[in-house]
Amino acid sequence: DIVMTQGALPNPVPSGESASITCQSSKSLLHSNGKTYLNWYLQRPGQSPQLLIYWMSTRASGVSDRFSGSGSGTDFTLKISSVEAEDVGVYYCQQFLEYPLTFGSGTKLEIK
Amino acid sequence: EVQLVESGGGLVQPGRSMKLSCAASGFTFSNYGMAWVRQAPTKGLEWVATISYDGSSTYYRDSVKGRFTISRDNAKSTLYLQMNSLRSEDTATYYCTRGGFGLLHPWGQGVMVTVSS
Repeated sequence: DIVMTQGALPNPVPSGESASITCQSSKSLLHSNGKTYLNWYLQRPGQSPQLLIYWMSTRASGVSDRFSGSGSGTDFTLKISSVEAEDVGVYYCQQFLEYPLTFGSGTKLEIK
Repeated sequence: EVQLVESGGGLVQPGRSMKLSCAASGFTFSNYGMAWVRQAPTKGLEWVATISYDGSSTYYRDSVKGRFTISRDNAKSTLYLQMNSLRSEDTATYYCTRGGFGLLHPWGQGVMVTVSS
């Protein structure tokens, strides 16, 4: 199975500051078709997860441009510029290169 | 608006069975693969199973293979998860989500399954 390892944030993050969440995969998620099979989700407190970023760097519909995804084949970053109160929650990376689909353990964001 | 509404959860004894349903609306259900993802209390997300748009292909995590069956009724726009031989470690909130090849969006509100005697 592909193992997804997420980094922690130095919580709480001051409102208006930027935050970067890291994710590492145990296998390259770069496919021969040139796409990287990596998604990011946010689960706000008490809510279902929602898709933020897919194919490593494409924002889902309706997602603020404060969110951006980047990376290589095995190392990825979700950057949130100018964090706001509504960004609070747990962020998960997920690979969909192969089954079983696997998620990182989650990174909690708290705002000061 | 795309909506996914799960039902069928509750308390069940170890070794017994339970069937979850997910009613889909707001999109052409028969065009999309679907998946179940679960989340144990205070834990992270864990993919459970995926079914192709036409039901011809299914995929499971190892820990549920042979015990869980994912299925669908495209005429009713409904996804199912039949869970047999339930264990305490199956206790979780189960989410229905659209996404046949792993791009999971959107998600239902989830349904709680508690396996306990």
